[in-house]
Amino acid sequence: AQSVTQPDIHITVSEGASLELRCNYSYGATPYLFWYVQSPGQGLQLLLKYFSGDTLVQGIKGFEAEFKRSQSSFNLRKPSVHWSDAAEYFCAVGEVLTGGGNKLTFGTGTQLKVEL
Amino acid sequence: DAGVTQSPTHLIKTRGQHVTLRCSPISGHKSVSWYQQVLGQGPQFIFQYYEKEERGRGNFPDRFSARQFPNYSSELNVNALLLGDSALYLCASSVHTGTGPYEQYFGPGTRLTVT
Repeated sequence: AQSVTQPDIHITVSEGASLELRCNYSYGATPYLFWYVQSPGQGLQLLLKYFSGDTLVQGIKGFEAEFKRSQSSFNLRKPSVHWSDAAEYFCAVGEVLTGGGNKLTFGTGTQLKVEL
Repeated sequence: DAGVTQSPTHLIKTRGQHVTLRCSPISGHKSVSWYQQVLGQGPQFIFQYYEKEERGRGNFPDRFSARQFPNYSSELNVNALLLGDSALYLCASSVHTGTGPYEQYFGPGTRLTVT
């Protein structure tokens, strides 16, 4: 069964500093990978996705992620963090089901705090 | 354009009761998925519906059921509520289902508290 591990439960960075959030997945076939962000009491917003092709993908809000098959990783990065980036970040792997549906399996999330 | 909408925003129920949660997908989206997010955890897949048919089911008991209507909106029903059903219930919509992957767009969720 597929699984996603986000090793860091909490991360604190200073505003303007760079950010890297780690994500490791376990999936037998070609992974479909996503990063979502969730602000307190809100739903999930899609930041970026990887389906195939270029392993470095660009997303919204200045985020990017790199797919590394050899390391089973899909780490999220941002060169300069803004205070408004404080939120919880979820990595997810997508799976095509036998019934034709799709499901997402999420990690437990990384809570990002930004110090001013 | 309106995103995924869910109702109600919050509700409080007593153990043993049942609850119905509602979701309207983004216009043009035909697939709806439901997820449960317990505090401090990532969302867990409950169901996916496309063209009124169940296309996927997660590891949840039969107390959980859902359906999709001709206008592609959906309801999630939970019977015989337990304290452990307290969670944020998220609905996600997508353009289609098929053999390939696709993006899912989430609504704001319904916060269910069972007392």
